[in-house]
Amino acid sequence: DAGITQSPRHKVTETGTPVTLRCHQTENHRYMYWYRQDPGHGLRLIHYSYGVKDTDKGEVSDGYSVSRSKTEDFLLTLESATSSQTSVYFCAIRTSGDTGELFFGEGSRLTVL
Amino acid sequence: GESVGLHLPTLSVQEGDNSIINCAYSNSASDYFIWYKQESGKGPQFIIDIRSNMDKRQGQRVTVLLNKTVKHLSLQIAATQPGDSAVYFCAENKEAGTALIFGKGTTLSVSS
Repeated sequence: DAGITQSPRHKVTETGTPVTLRCHQTENHRYMYWYRQDPGHGLRLIHYSYGVKDTDKGEVSDGYSVSRSKTEDFLLTLESATSSQTSVYFCAIRTSGDTGELFFGEGSRLTVL
Repeated sequence: GESVGLHLPTLSVQEGDNSIINCAYSNSASDYFIWYKQESGKGPQFIIDIRSNMDKRQGQRVTVLLNKTVKHLSLQIAATQPGDSAVYFCAENKEAGTALIFGKGTTLSVSS
């Protein structure tokens, strides 16, 4: 168990409201990632972080921002949620080196009405 | 055993058969490849990985084959069991420090 927790695990919100998802790790790993998963699209990278205050965009970053003010927490924010952001969001960490497997959290299911 | 063509979204096999799930990757410079299994309602779980300097790697009941000439990756599951029913994703790492890029996944259904 790589010690990742995501919160909330489930959330229903309305269009136009802000939403923040939290990913917390207990092992001080450098790399953290946010993916979204949708039917027919697999897992797509939203943003990732390679250290405190160091983040970069993935392939589907529009409409999302992230912050990493401390090693253990990586926050994903939807400033103004839209129905197209209804999805399951997964956080992942890389536990060693610059390449290698990612350990995933259990996911956060977000529904935007 | 049962094999599938590239990118088929579903594969149905009988318990005890061998399963082969195929995947094509996009970047000839990718140097690391990985297979994940995802059960319903859970996050993806690591199965097996392979680096580009290898063409085959074996684990417990699973084998990954890498053909760099045609940019093709396959996962072979021996003696498939009902507990193997899940969605299987291949992923590639295009450069050090960046994220894994995932394929669309294949749903494996095992009937007893």
